[in-house]
Order: sequence, then structure tokens, then C-alpha cells
Amino acid sequence: GAVVSQHPSRVICKSGTSVKIECRSLDFQATTMFWYRQFPKQSLMLMATSNEGSKATYEQGVEKDKFLINHASLTLSTLTVTSAHPEDSSFYICSATTTSGDVNTQYFGPGTRLTVL
Amino acid sequence: RKEVEQDPGPFNVPEGATVAFNCTYSNSASQSFFWYRQDCRKEPKLLMSVYSSGNEDGRFTAQLNRASQYISLLIRDSKLSDSATYLCVVNAKAAGNKLTFGGGTRVLVKP
Repeated sequence: GAVVSQHPSRVICKSGTSVKIECRSLDFQATTMFWYRQFPKQSLMLMATSNEGSKATYEQGVEKDKFLINHASLTLSTLTVTSAHPEDSSFYICSATTTSGDVNTQYFGPGTRLTVL
Repeated sequence: RKEVEQDPGPFNVPEGATVAFNCTYSNSASQSFFWYRQDCRKEPKLLMSVYSSGNEDGRFTAQLNRASQYISLLIRDSKLSDSATYLCVVNAKAAGNKLTFGGGTRVLVKP
């Protein structure tokens, strides 16, 4: 099946710093990438939808100036958490859909666990 | 009301037993339905899609009831490795490729 990687898998940072998370589709071209956030014992919440070469579409309540998304190519999307605070500590997961086949199938990355001290 | 609702569980299941649980969705325009499995501190993985006529994949059977707006998952002959959180996921055509996740049902299979 299609493989999606994320880097880093875990990051611990001080409050006020910015953190960049990369999401890559390794063996396919992704028309669309999605960024989710999951707090402990809660389900995945969609943060934004990212299409290559265009601005991301953010879900209601997600600050676009705080969570910067860049989708520079069909295989790479990045999420930057700017000026991170402890309440941003969460599990961030990306997913990607392919340019062919079932576009309803999303392939998930392994996630990035962010801890802000 | 949440768009996709699930009983959070946990469902404590003896090894070898059968367990079933449902998920309800509020958007009648939902068109695609899935069950994902998520292990602790890992990403979700697609378990199976759910089709209108119901479908089976080995020990797993999924059913869809559009009239009552719920889908179900049944696991037969439970294995210890089936212990996980099962996420109900729906997609509405009007929402494009966006998926809406339920809160998950936790299943614990015990020897």
C-alpha cells in the first residue's frame, strides 16, 4: 500500500519556539494532504486540507497564522506550529490521497508527538 | 450533536468471543463509510470500507443501515491482537475528500 512518512516522530520544545513537521508520500503523488490533531483520549480532528500549489483550507477554529502549511510538491507538505505553547502539545498526523484510484482512501503518516514545555 | 458518535467502551472481550458495536452519523448526505483501527500512540489504519450491502473481511463484518444512519462492526473469534480503538469514519460527497472521525470504540481482548 501507499506509504506516508512524517518527520520528526517526536519533538519536545520550549514554549515560544516554532516547530516544523514534514509529511511525505514516499511511493505515490498526493493530490491532497490533510493535517489532523489528536488530543489524549480524543479522536482525530481535521485542522486543514492542503493541495499542492495552493493555499491550505483551514477548519473552523484553527488559526492559519499559527499553523502554517506549505504544500510545495506532490510529495511533501509541511506544518509549522509557530510560537508553540503547552496547549499545542498533541499528536499531529498527516494523511494523503492519491492522484489515482480511490480518492476517498487516505493514507496516514505515523504521526508526530509534540510536547511543549 | 457530534457528526459521528461511538460508544467509547471499553468492550472487554474474552479471547475467541464475538463483539459488535455501532456508530451513528448525523449527516444524511454521507456517502462513504469506513472502519479504521488505531493502536495506542499510533496512526489510524484502514480496517475496511463499508458498503451498502454489507461486507466481510475474514473475521470482520461491517454493515450499513442508511435508514437509521448507523454502521456496525462485528469481530468474530476475537484475538488478543484485536485489542485496539476502532474509529468510525464517514465522508460526505459535499465535503470533498474530508473524513469525519468518530471518537472511537476501545476493545480489549483478554485471555
